[in-house]
Amino acid sequence: QKEVEQNSGPLSVPEGAIASLNCTYSDRGSQSFFWYRQYSGKSPELIMSIYSNGDKEDGRFTAQLNKASQYVSLLIRDSQPSDSATYLCAVKASGGSYIPTFGRGTSLIVHP
Amino acid sequence: ETGVTQTPRHLVMGMTNKKSLKCEQHLGHNAMYWYKQSAKKPLELMFVYSLEERVENNSVPSRFSPECPNSSHLFLHLHTLQPEDSALYLCASSQAPNQPQHFGDGTRLSIL
Repeated sequence: QKEVEQNSGPLSVPEGAIASLNCTYSDRGSQSFFWYRQYSGKSPELIMSIYSNGDKEDGRFTAQLNKASQYVSLLIRDSQPSDSATYLCAVKASGGSYIPTFGRGTSLIVHP
Repeated sequence: ETGVTQTPRHLVMGMTNKKSLKCEQHLGHNAMYWYKQSAKKPLELMFVYSLEERVENNSVPSRFSPECPNSSHLFLHLHTLQPEDSALYLCASSQAPNQPQHFGDGTRLSIL
C-alpha cells in the first residue's frame, strides 16, 4: 500500500514569514514528486515538480527532496494572504505507472 | 486556462436521471483521469485511461461509466446516482508516467 502523509493543519503563519509544508511517502521506488495548490472550491493547480535530491526554486517557492529519508517539502517565502489554500503532495512510482498517490493535503492560512 | 476543459461546471440531477460529464484536453497528453473530491475528503481516483485504454478502475460503482473515444476526450456517464455521489468531479491529463497531471476546473455535482 503506497502512502503519502501530510499534516492536515491548519498551518498558520503571519504575512511575510516562511511557510514550510512537509510530505513523507512510503514507496522507496518513487521517482516523481509534485506539489499542487488548491483553493477552496477550485481544482488543484500544479506549483512544482521535483525529480532529484536537493532543492528546486521557482520564485517564492522551493521544493526540497530527500529520497533517503523519503520526504519532500515545500517552502513558501514571503507568504501572502493569497497563498492561503490547501497544498497537496503527489508522488509517482517508477516503472511507467500513470497513477500518482496524493496526500490528504495541508491547509495553510497566512494572516495579515 | 489549464488546457483541460470540463463541462458542465455545475449539474443538479435527480436520482433517476441520466447525465454525462465531458472533459477535453488540448495539451496533446496521453493519459486522462477522473477523480472525485467530496467535502473535507482527499482526492479519490476513479478511472485512468492511457492511450484510450482503461488502465485503472478503482472499485467504482457501476452507476459511473467512463468512456474515452480518443486521447483528447473523456466522458463520465451517470445514472441512478445516490445523494452521497454529490461532489466535485475533476478531470486531469498527463503527458507521460513521470509527468504531472493538469486538472480541469471540475464539475460540481449535486444529487437531489
